[in-house]
Amino acid sequence: QVLLVESGGALVKPGGSLRLSCAASGFSFSDYSMNWIRQAPGKGLEWLSYLNGSDSTIYYADSVRGRFTISRDSAKNSLYLQLDNLRAEDTAVYHCARESHKYGESFDVWGQGTMVTVSS
Amino acid sequence: SYELTQPPSVSVSPGQTARITCSGDALPRHYAYWYQQKPGQAPVVVIYKDTERPSGIPERFSGSSSGTTVTLTISGVQAEDEADYYCHSVDRSGNLRVFGGGTKVTVL
Repeated sequence: QVLLVESGGALVKPGGSLRLSCAASGFSFSDYSMNWIRQAPGKGLEWLSYLNGSDSTIYYADSVRGRFTISRDSAKNSLYLQLDNLRAEDTAVYHCARESHKYGESFDVWGQGTMVTVSS
Repeated sequence: SYELTQPPSVSVSPGQTARITCSGDALPRHYAYWYQQKPGQAPVVVIYKDTERPSGIPERFSGSSSGTTVTLTISGVQAEDEADYYCHSVDRSGNLRVFGGGTKVTVL
């Protein structure tokens, strides 16, 4: 069964840091490009970051570039997102998502998400 | 920064047709994808590469493209289709992924 499970979400103060993890199973993790996407409470989806399968290409949304860092450990089948200098507007559910090989570059597998709350 | 524009809401009676548009000036050069999200659930892709339907998605879901606008059409809407729908593509550079703001489909 293809599965993504996020963890690491927490309540953190403005200016604080957090590291999110995404554990992958059921597929060849190193063969796939991976993304982080978030959804603030009651709001829409916001793409945050991309990392290709060979770890040679990384992209960030303007809203998080310079504050968030994406990485992966293929030996552990895990994707990470380091969140630094957090702001109240970063409060959201954070999802990892796989880019499909079969359905174009769609996000065909999503985790259920981990909640990050930034508040003093 | 690049944006994809969707209407905030669409209302439709059961059995009728719902059409959701997504506009962006890079859409003529890059594929669009559509996702359905129900409350408390992760999104599910319902259309890929503008017009293709993944296996397991009902035939009533279809996609089309014309110029800077792509459209998701749900024919013969059912109560279970009530959900939020998001388009997704990439920006003018082809690198940054982007979502539309989402459209809430209400089945009357």
